[in-house]
Amino acid sequence: GQNIDQPTEMTATEGAIVQINCTYQTSGFNGLFWYQQHAGEAPTFLSYNVLDGLEEKGRFSSFLSRSKGYSYLLLKELQMKDSASYLCAVDPFTGGGNKLTFGTGTQLKVEL
Amino acid sequence: NAGVTQTPKFRILKIGQSMTLQCAQDMNHNYMYWYRQDPGMGLKLIYYSVGAGITDKGEVPNGYNVSRSTTEDFPLRLELAAPSQTSVYFCASTQGMEQNQPQHFGDGTRLSIL
Repeated sequence: GQNIDQPTEMTATEGAIVQINCTYQTSGFNGLFWYQQHAGEAPTFLSYNVLDGLEEKGRFSSFLSRSKGYSYLLLKELQMKDSASYLCAVDPFTGGGNKLTFGTGTQLKVEL
Repeated sequence: NAGVTQTPKFRILKIGQSMTLQCAQDMNHNYMYWYRQDPGMGLKLIYYSVGAGITDKGEVPNGYNVSRSTTEDFPLRLELAAPSQTSVYFCASTQGMEQNQPQHFGDGTRLSIL
């Protein structure tokens, strides 16, 4: 089976840095995605990692360690609009189709 | 481009009724997916398709059916609605040619079964 764990909730202050962790145990691995989902809206793509290391995209960075089954999403210079759920998703490479297994999401609340 | 379009946005059904959730994409994507998302939970894959005429079950297919007669459309059918199918349903698509291409999501259909 596939298992993805993320913290349920996190709170951070505007302007600060927050790290959202994701650990996974899957039968295979073909990449890891991070999505942002505002309340009542669709998920939107943030980042993709398939090799070990850090991928940086403006205020957002994502890190992957395949040997540890671990990833994190780093959000810098937090803004109120960053309050959302952050979903970690893994392509376990089972039967093709680029299917994704999603974690339950981390609800981030940014406070003043 | 409209991207992925889902209709309806909201629907209330009675137990035992049937309905079809529509999904269309105009990006010429090969792969399409249906997910459900229950409150506070992640997305669960219901069905997916890698091209016209090809569909396969995901993690939670029971109570649902799909078809893929064209590249653009991927409707999801509920035959006998049950309270357990109350959820938000998302359709997504991706080109499918390379592994690093993200899935693009529609705005969702919020379905309540009473």
